Amino acid sequence: EVQLVESGGGLVQPGGSLRLSCATSGFTFRSYWMNWVRQAPGKGLEWVANIKQDGSEKWYVDSVKGRFTIFRDNVKNSVSLQMNSLRPEDTAVYYCARDQLGDDDTFDHWGQGTLVTVSS
Amino acid sequence: EIVMTQSPATLSVSPGERATLSCRASQSLGSNLAWYQQRPGQAPRLLIFRASTRATGIPARFSGSGSGTEFTLTISSLQSEDSAVYYCQQYYNWPPITFGQGTRLDIK
Repeated sequence: EVQLVESGGGLVQPGGSLRLSCATSGFTFRSYWMNWVRQAPGKGLEWVANIKQDGSEKWYVDSVKGRFTIFRDNVKNSVSLQMNSLRPEDTAVYYCARDQLGDDDTFDHWGQGTLVTVSS
Repeated sequence: EIVMTQSPATLSVSPGERATLSCRASQSLGSNLAWYQQRPGQAPRLLIFRASTRATGIPARFSGSGSGTEFTLTISSLQSEDSAVYYCQQYYNWPPITFGQGTRLDIK
């Protein structure tokens, strides 16, 4: 069974940092692109970042470029999101999501999410 | 950035009837369009990709159609468990991958 379990969320002050992790199991992790998608309270979905199978490509939404870094560990089967210079507008549930295999950049498995609250 | 616009914002339909949800893209996507269902308190679930291909385990009541800039998700024989927010997502041109704002479906 495919499983994705996020951790690391919490309350942080504006300007602070937080590192989210997503532990995976049940599939060949190194074969998949991985993503982070967030959802502000009561709002819609926003794709944040993704990373290629070998980590050689990383892409970000403009609003987090230069502040967030995605990385992965293909030995530990995990993907992480380092978030720096956090802003109140970064408050959201952050989901880890797996790309489908093949040419479709769609998300066929999701974690349960971890809540990040940026507030003083 | 490709902007995705969904309509209506809210839809209320009776059990057993059919719901039709729309998604429009600001530029042509070919068929690179997906639909997700998000029930309250849950993570999203992939329903449809490539505009009309059902994801694994998705019942045939869910069907997708369209290409270019206009897409439709149709849910037939509505059940109470179909109450959710539905999102479309484009993956034709990224970054960024973008979602519509969602359509809330209520089964009254």
